[in-house]
Parts: sequence; structure tokens; C-alpha cells
Amino acid sequence: AQKVTQAQTEISVVEKEDVTLDCVYETRDTTYYLFWYKQPPSGELVFLIRRNSFDEQNEISGRYSWNFQKSTSSFNFTITASQVVDSAVYFCALQNTGTASKLTFGTGTRLQVTL
Amino acid sequence: EPEVTQTPSHQVTQMGQEVILRCVPISNHLYFYWYRQILGQKVEFLVSFYNNEISEKSEIFDDQFSVERPDGSNFTLKIRSTKLEDSAMYFCASSLAGFYEQYFGPGTRLTVT
Repeated sequence: AQKVTQAQTEISVVEKEDVTLDCVYETRDTTYYLFWYKQPPSGELVFLIRRNSFDEQNEISGRYSWNFQKSTSSFNFTITASQVVDSAVYFCALQNTGTASKLTFGTGTRLQVTL
Repeated sequence: EPEVTQTPSHQVTQMGQEVILRCVPISNHLYFYWYRQILGQKVEFLVSFYNNEISEKSEIFDDQFSVERPDGSNFTLKIRSTKLEDSAMYFCASSLAGFYEQYFGPGTRLTVT
């Protein structure tokens, strides 16, 4: 069975601090995909990144970076120089390959960035 | 930029009533999904749909639920006889392929009284 664990329920930081959101996953499959989604206070789910299990290269997109480590089954997300607009709930998700395969979400981490 | 749309944004219904939630996926996408999120909780998969049939469904998706793609653009979720515990935000999503990123609609907040 698939499982995604986001142990941090809530994180509070002051603007301009760096923050890392942890994600640990479990799957028996050798091929799978990992995702991060952002859910701002308005409620929609915004896609941030997709990474396949064969690509362990870290990725950077502006202030966002992702660290995928297969050895520890982790896919952590770092926001550098956080801003108030980063305040949201962030969900990590796992998808196995297959036709119309479902996303299995973690419980989310609520990030609060204050001035 | 193309996006998934959902109507209505908020639906209030009485227990036992039928509701239909509507979604218009991104036009060239072939895979469609429904998820739900009970307030403050994680997002849970309900059903996936491809080639005019259900590909996968969760335990939540029991006989009270059904999905349909009545025409080339809409994708609907019907709950036949709503229960209080069906109150949640329902998200529709679509993807170009089965293992590509899924793009979510803004959600329909269903309140069952």
C-alpha cells in the first residue's frame, strides 16, 4: 500500500527565513511519481512539481527547491527567503504508474509566514 | 492558460437529496478524477475515469456515487442520497496522461444539512 507522511503539521517562520517541508513516502513499486501541491487560503490546489523515481537530481525553481533521496524515501521541499504569500498548506503526493493512477496525498503542512 | 472549472462553487443540500457536481476538464486532457477534502483534512481520491469508463475507485466511492461524461466537455459526479458525512470540498482534476501532473479545479464545497 502507498503512504505519504508529512510529520510537520504546522510551521511558523518570519519572512525571509528559509523553511524546509518534509515528506516521506512508502511504496512497493520501483516506478512512481512524487508531487508537491500548494493550497492557499482560497482553497484551490496548485501544482508545484512532479518528479519521477528515476530522477534523483535536485531541482530549483526560483525560491523553491526540492531534494529527492530515494535511499531515505524522502522528497523534501525548501522555500528560500520565505514571503507572506507563501503562507498556505503544502501537500506532498505519490502516484504509481498505471492508467489514470490516483494521487495519494499526505496530511499537509500548514506554513505561516509572518512579517 | 487553460484551467479546470467546477460548478457550483458552493452547494447546500438536505440529507437524502441527490446532488450533481459539474466539472469542465482541460480540453485536450484524457484522464479525469474526483477527490474530496473534508474540512481541515487531507485530500482523498474518489475515482478516476478514462476512455468513458472508471479506471479506479476508492472505498469511499460506493453505490451512492456515480460519474459520467455526458458530452465532450463535462465530467460530473452524482451523489444519489447525500449523508451528513458527505459534506466536504470536492475537487475535479484532469491530466493529459495517466501519470502526468493532475490539474485541479477550484472545488465545490458541498454542505449537507
